[in-house]
Amino acid sequence: EPEVTQTPSHQVTQMGQEVILRCVPISNHLYFYWYRQILGQKVEFLVSFYNNEISEKSEIFDDQFSVERPDGSNFTLKIRSTKLEDSAMYFCASIEGSSYNEQFFGPGTRLTVL
Amino acid sequence: AQTVTQSQPEMSVQEAETVTLSCTYDTSESDYYLFWYKQPPSRQMILVIRQEAYKQQNATENRFSVNFQKAAKSFSLKISDSQLGDAAMYFCAYRRQGAGNMLTFGGGTRLMVKP
Repeated sequence: EPEVTQTPSHQVTQMGQEVILRCVPISNHLYFYWYRQILGQKVEFLVSFYNNEISEKSEIFDDQFSVERPDGSNFTLKIRSTKLEDSAMYFCASIEGSSYNEQFFGPGTRLTVL
Repeated sequence: AQTVTQSQPEMSVQEAETVTLSCTYDTSESDYYLFWYKQPPSRQMILVIRQEAYKQQNATENRFSVNFQKAAKSFSLKISDSQLGDAAMYFCAYRRQGAGNMLTFGGGTRLMVKP
């Protein structure tokens, strides 16, 4: 069964460093998302991406964040200068395109900022 | 903006018993989707069940069923014959009609299953 994959599973970085989180969505899916979950809190939407551009973003997704689909398969989230409060689980998700369909989630990347 | 509220931070149930998790939401839309996701300790988000707002019939998936009350904006999850593997965080989520729209999640309910 096709699945969304994410790498790395765990990333440790120093405050102020740049990180890139990688996702490979399901191949025939058209919409891509990043969500974040701070430990013990709810899952929060960051950004959605369609047709090679951002379609929607939350107030969390400020200038420190960017997304890219550099080739036909990868979907990346870059945090330019990490802060302690960026420590969280980051989930990538994708959806085929029909309004009825579910979003498939990847296993997440745990980001720890020291 | 849409909001989703889960008023039970924790619930426990005896194995083989039935438990109901509550969820309420706020929206001005008439067409939307509601979901329950399960998040086990591995943190992977797994879809349990979905409900289309235009459908009056409550969705069921094996031991999982929902009680969807559109006027009350209520969407509870019933788990019958609870199993140890059902222990997890459960998140209620809302999505507006439209293919690309994002999910809005509730705060989650931690379900513990006692053997």
